[in-house]
Amino acid sequence: RKEVEQDPGPFNVPEGATVAFNCTYSNSASQSFFWYRQDCRKEPKLLMSVYSSGNEDGRFTAQLNRASQYISLLIRDSKLSDSATYLCVVDLVGSQGNLIFGKGTKLSVKP
Amino acid sequence: EPEVTQTPSHQVTQMGQEVILRCVPISNHLYFYWYRQILGQKVEFLVSFYNNEISEKSEIFDDRFSVERPDGSNFTLKIRSTKLEDSAMYFCASLWTGPPREQYFGPGTRLTVT
Repeated sequence: RKEVEQDPGPFNVPEGATVAFNCTYSNSASQSFFWYRQDCRKEPKLLMSVYSSGNEDGRFTAQLNRASQYISLLIRDSKLSDSATYLCVVDLVGSQGNLIFGKGTKLSVKP
Repeated sequence: EPEVTQTPSHQVTQMGQEVILRCVPISNHLYFYWYRQILGQKVEFLVSFYNNEISEKSEIFDDRFSVERPDGSNFTLKIRSTKLEDSAMYFCASLWTGPPREQYFGPGTRLTVT
């Protein structure tokens, strides 16, 4: 079973649309959860940490469901600049912060 | 805003040669990491480093790989006897401690082994 699974997409949406990404993780003992974005051939950039209570940062909302081992990211009012690959990331249980990445979901926002 | 830097941005080497990839982590961070990403694949953990020693390493990090923090700022990844399959983007990351335990990545070094 893959450790972090994501729908690869691509998601093609018009500007202003709301788009949601989902992710599941296999190890129920994982403690830290993140969404990163990655532009083509660039480094992963931290978008937001994901907390059990859910958290919001502007147009971005992240949710965590520990019982279902499920993480989501909602982007409202999408912009052209949101076009990127969104990486779901969890920590390796018992490690010193080693991260396990999903393969990512590609988002393309069109005018 | 502080950031992780890496040099060179692109390194081309012949199979069997040695390469050293360099990173300068964020200055007050305590944990350092190397990851790699083969083109079209996911980012994979290689090694973590804390208190001047390796904390953990993955199966990818075989005995051809080594890391070093030669001074108070640089963090290096050395690959000896490079293979074609070592071709990838190599990202350095650093972490203060948190919570939250958020890692920040450098821009990467693209390694091409011919």
